[in-house]
Amino acid sequence: GAGVSQSPRYKVAKRGQDVALRCDPISGHVSLFWYQQALGQGPEFLTYFQNEAQLDKSGLPSDRFFAERPEGSVSTLKIQRTQQEDSAVYLCASSAQGVRADTQYFGPGTRLTVL
Amino acid sequence: QQPVQSPQAVILREGEDAVINCSSSKALYSVHWYRQKHGEAPVFLMILLKGGEQKGHEKISASFNEKKQQSSLYLTASQLSYSGTYFCGTERGNNRKLIWGLGTSLAVNP
Repeated sequence: GAGVSQSPRYKVAKRGQDVALRCDPISGHVSLFWYQQALGQGPEFLTYFQNEAQLDKSGLPSDRFFAERPEGSVSTLKIQRTQQEDSAVYLCASSAQGVRADTQYFGPGTRLTVL
Repeated sequence: QQPVQSPQAVILREGEDAVINCSSSKALYSVHWYRQKHGEAPVFLMILLKGGEQKGHEKISASFNEKKQQSSLYLTASQLSYSGTYFCGTERGNNRKLIWGLGTSLAVNP
């Protein structure tokens, strides 16, 4: 596709519900990143994949957060038993290669609101 | 570990210049600059690498001082479209994740 797409764009969940956020990276991109952006803040790293391998998940805030990319393309970020502090915009980015200093292209994000 | 951006906010008249700084206390491999408009995805502007290489936007310039671990983004002859929040993301040598500053809000008025 032309760019990174994410779905849904907006998600409202009741506290305790599970949610799944989807990212479709640019076709052929090797690396995929997930970030969390709170209102008025910069993005915060959550995790990244190179193809299907999850190489760094040090930013996942708790074991309620889980990400996968089983076939090395589409990725899903799952949040179990959502809490109010999970409310944020979740950004996905992809880059063409698996090397340092490679441009990351961002999707529009999913705005999650937990009531 | 989070880089420090300055200033926090800038207001310009169209045609004026601005400099945005990004400083880190850690040794960096690269600095990435993005602009984000409200409710939109961050848009790539520039990457500066240790050693002086740059990749990015033709109309925007930036520098990276390795001794100070500081990068500066130079916006000249600003246009209305330059308005938004500018973020720097820093990459260290040991992995690929970007650590982001808090952003600099830029408003360009007619």
